[in-house]
Amino acid sequence: QSALTQPPSASGSLGQSVTISCTGSASDVGYYDLVSWYQEKPGKAPQVIIEHIDKRLSGVPDRFSGSKSGNTASLTVSGLRTEDEADYYCSSYADRNSLVFGGGTKLTVL
Amino acid sequence: QVQLQESGPGRVRPSETLSLSCVVSGASIIDQNKYWGWIRQSPGKGLEWIGSIFLDGTSSYKSPLKDRFAISADTSRNEYSLRVTSVTAADTAVYYCAAVRRFGDYVSSWGQGLLVTVSS
Repeated sequence: QSALTQPPSASGSLGQSVTISCTGSASDVGYYDLVSWYQEKPGKAPQVIIEHIDKRLSGVPDRFSGSKSGNTASLTVSGLRTEDEADYYCSSYADRNSLVFGGGTKLTVL
Repeated sequence: QVQLQESGPGRVRPSETLSLSCVVSGASIIDQNKYWGWIRQSPGKGLEWIGSIFLDGTSSYKSPLKDRFAISADTSRNEYSLRVTSVTAADTAVYYCAAVRRFGDYVSSWGQGLLVTVSS
C-alpha cells in the first residue's frame, strides 16, 4: 500500500480555479470508486469534503468538485476564496477495511 | 454526533511499547456501518493510515506496520485501542482515532489527535 501521489503545493488567485491531482494504482484509485478528499486547517483534524469521487458532504460549497480518470482522481476548487487556503488530502479505499492517503497538497490563495 | 477521544502518554522511550485508547460516544463500535481506524501524522508530514477494527473483531493494517501494531476493541466500554511495540523516533506523530463510514469508506469523524513523542 504505497501512499497516493499529490503535488506538495498548489496555488491560485482569488476567484480563479485550481485542480489538485491524486494518483494511485490499479489496486486502489483505479479499482474502487471510493476516493475521498479532506480539508485540513492548522490545529484542526481534517474534515471530509468529497466522498465517492464526486459527492459533496452536506454543507460543502458547490465550488468544490471531484472527478476520476483511471488511476488519478482530482479535486477542483472554483471561485477561490481566502478561506479555501488549507491542506488537502485524498484517500482511497484499498481493500479489507483499509484506506490509503495522499501526501497532501498545500493550497495557497494568492 | 459521533465523538472520539484519544488517550495515552505524550512521551515514550525508544524500544518501549506505546498504548493508546479511543473512547467513542454517539455511536456503538459494533455499528455495522462503520469501522474504526487509527491514523497518524508525523510532524510536517501527511496522513498515514495505520489500521482498523470492525465489529466482528477483525483488524487489518497497513502492510509494513502489521508486525509492530495491534488494534483491539472492548465493546463493553465502547472503546478501542492501538498498541505499538519497539517504538522508534519514526513513530513520533499525532495519532488520530477515526470512524470510517462503510459503503463510502471515508473518515466521517476524527478524534482531536494526540501527540506522541518518542524520546529518551
